[in-house]
Amino acid sequence: GNSVTQMEGPVTLSEEAFLTINCTYTATGYPSLFWYVQYPGEGLQLLLKATKADDKGSNKGFEATYRKETTSFHLEKGSVQVSDSAVYFCALSATDSWGKLQFGAGTQVVVTP
Amino acid sequence: DAMVIQNPRYQVTQFGKPVTLSCSQTLNHNVMYWYQQKSSQAPKLLFHYYDKDFNNEADTPDNFQSRRPNTSFCFLDIRSPGLGDAAMYLCATSSGTSGGNEQFFGPGTRLTVL
Repeated sequence: GNSVTQMEGPVTLSEEAFLTINCTYTATGYPSLFWYVQYPGEGLQLLLKATKADDKGSNKGFEATYRKETTSFHLEKGSVQVSDSAVYFCALSATDSWGKLQFGAGTQVVVTP
Repeated sequence: DAMVIQNPRYQVTQFGKPVTLSCSQTLNHNVMYWYQQKSSQAPKLLFHYYDKDFNNEADTPDNFQSRRPNTSFCFLDIRSPGLGDAAMYLCATSSGTSGGNEQFFGPGTRLTVL
């Protein structure tokens, strides 16, 4: 079946550091890939997405590239802020899955001043 | 602003006492989803509606039911909550079911079972 594996947290960084969260997936065909962010006490918000191989999603300084050859969708940000502290979920939506999302376990990111 | 609203934000119930959580949306989306998220875990899909067509996930317990009386509203009924049902319940909507469609999430209802 389909699955998403992302690096365990918590990831603790200083402000202005470089952030990478690894995400790999298993799925047949060409799924769509997403990163969602969840701030404390809130629901999930879409951060970025990519729907086909080699697509790059970007938003708020975050980027991720859909790599079919390595089945990966790693999230990166060049300079994090304290306000980026949150839980980040990698997710996929498989072809013909009614848009249902399969989430990774989530990675907590803590950014300190 | 168009949005997904969940009420209440916090719900406390007693073991075995039925509870209903509600979700409404102003996005006019066809698809609505209910997820269960336990502490420090990923959201787990319980069921979804495409318009009025109900789709249950295979491993969703019978204790969980849902109703969608119209496009805007969707309800999650837990008939006999157990301690293991304590979780955050997230409602989400989408304009369609193709893989690239974004899901819009509400803020969630945190359920406590005493």
